[in-house]
Amino acid sequence: NAGVTQTPKFRVLKTGQSMTLLCAQDMNHEYMYWYRQDPGMGLRLIHYSVGEGTTAKGEVPDGYNVSRLKKQNFLLGLESAAPSQTSVYFCASEARTYEQYFGPGTRLTVT
Amino acid sequence: AQSVTQPDIHITVSEGASLELRCNYSYGATPYLFWYVQSPGQGLQLLLKYFSGDTLVQGIKGFEAEFKRSQSSFNLRKPSVHWSDAAEYFCAVGVPGTASKLTFGTGTRLQVTL
Repeated sequence: NAGVTQTPKFRVLKTGQSMTLLCAQDMNHEYMYWYRQDPGMGLRLIHYSVGEGTTAKGEVPDGYNVSRLKKQNFLLGLESAAPSQTSVYFCASEARTYEQYFGPGTRLTVT
Repeated sequence: AQSVTQPDIHITVSEGASLELRCNYSYGATPYLFWYVQSPGQGLQLLLKYFSGDTLVQGIKGFEAEFKRSQSSFNLRKPSVHWSDAAEYFCAVGVPGTASKLTFGTGTRLQVTL
């Protein structure tokens, strides 16, 4: 039982490049979330999903897209990376209990 | 919309001393309240939660928190801090019935001196 895993752990992109972050959970949770963490700003919700095939915008969705084709996976995409997207990205999952389980994070640097 | 304030950015305590981390929230009714801990380079781990009922809640690692409706607060406490408690602590609020979206505070970094 791995819980929530994130791939990759680190990535450096150049401005304008694209990439996809993968989140996987093996707890059969319905809800999944993508957050970004920036110094002094806590965690901010980017997008979330309440079930397979559904997605919704969070607090800071601009510049990101998501997909939830399978219940266990939640993908976060950056189509054209910008330096402002340099951050640590966390994925979380939850079984409708308000108790979110977090992955270890992906540190992304955009130069 | 709900909001969370953690007034202390950084706190230093000596090992064995007591700890209180402050959290204030803004919401028209009683929200769901949470404390999470983040060790360096790690994801967040739930310490404790409050939904309703007894206003003093116990969590993991010897932590407790008290909900005070009159002060809109949910402060985290520990009677005796260990060096391994050094981490960043986040308070969060959730609004009942809103697909579990949490609003996090900006965090308090705890340093423990030996």
